[in-house]
Amino acid sequence: AQSVTQLDSQVPVFEEAPVELRCNYSSSVSVYLFWYVQYPNQGLQLLLKYLSGSTLVESINGFEAEFNKSQTSFHLRKPSVHISDTAEYFCAVSASGGAGKSTFGDGTTLTVKP
Amino acid sequence: NAGVTQTPKFRILKIGQSMTLQCTQDMNHNYMYWYRQDPGMGLKLIYYSVGAGITDKGEVPNGYNVSRSTTEDFPLRLELAAPSQTSVYFCASSYWTSGKYEQYFGPGTRLTVT
Repeated sequence: AQSVTQLDSQVPVFEEAPVELRCNYSSSVSVYLFWYVQYPNQGLQLLLKYLSGSTLVESINGFEAEFNKSQTSFHLRKPSVHISDTAEYFCAVSASGGAGKSTFGDGTTLTVKP
Repeated sequence: NAGVTQTPKFRILKIGQSMTLQCTQDMNHNYMYWYRQDPGMGLKLIYYSVGAGITDKGEVPNGYNVSRSTTEDFPLRLELAAPSQTSVYFCASSYWTSGKYEQYFGPGTRLTVT
């Protein structure tokens, strides 16, 4: 069995400040880890993923996440946020890669204030 | 590429009615999924498919059925609608091979059962 805990349900932050959205997981086997972003009234978009290799993964819009096996964490960070980053962010874990039986966290609402 | 399309966008059902949520993808992805998202929660996997003719239960399959006769289509059937099935339903597809992973979600179907 696998599970995901997103430690903060809401994160308010001012524009251009750094942000960290925390995600811990549990699994008895090797895992693949994902972060998704959901803008209001839209579907989810894959933001970044860890499948293997380098433990630090980056997205095209400045977010990064680091897979920490000893801490069983996959926290999402951005050094300087924009108003447009306001959205819901979901962390997910899968023990079977592309066959996806992914387990999702409950989400973190990131609100960027001017 | 249209990506993942879902119909309808909205639907109100009476208790006991049935309906089919349609999902189509044009990316030739083998894997397809149905999730539901309840308010303030992450996504829960209902059913998934690893290819045409192959489906399997996810975390919350009760009250639903699926079929996968083609690579493109993955309809979700609700036979006897219940208020507990009020939710937003997302279809997704994915492709994974060594070093490459992509996943796309549809825009969702907002279903209300009264």
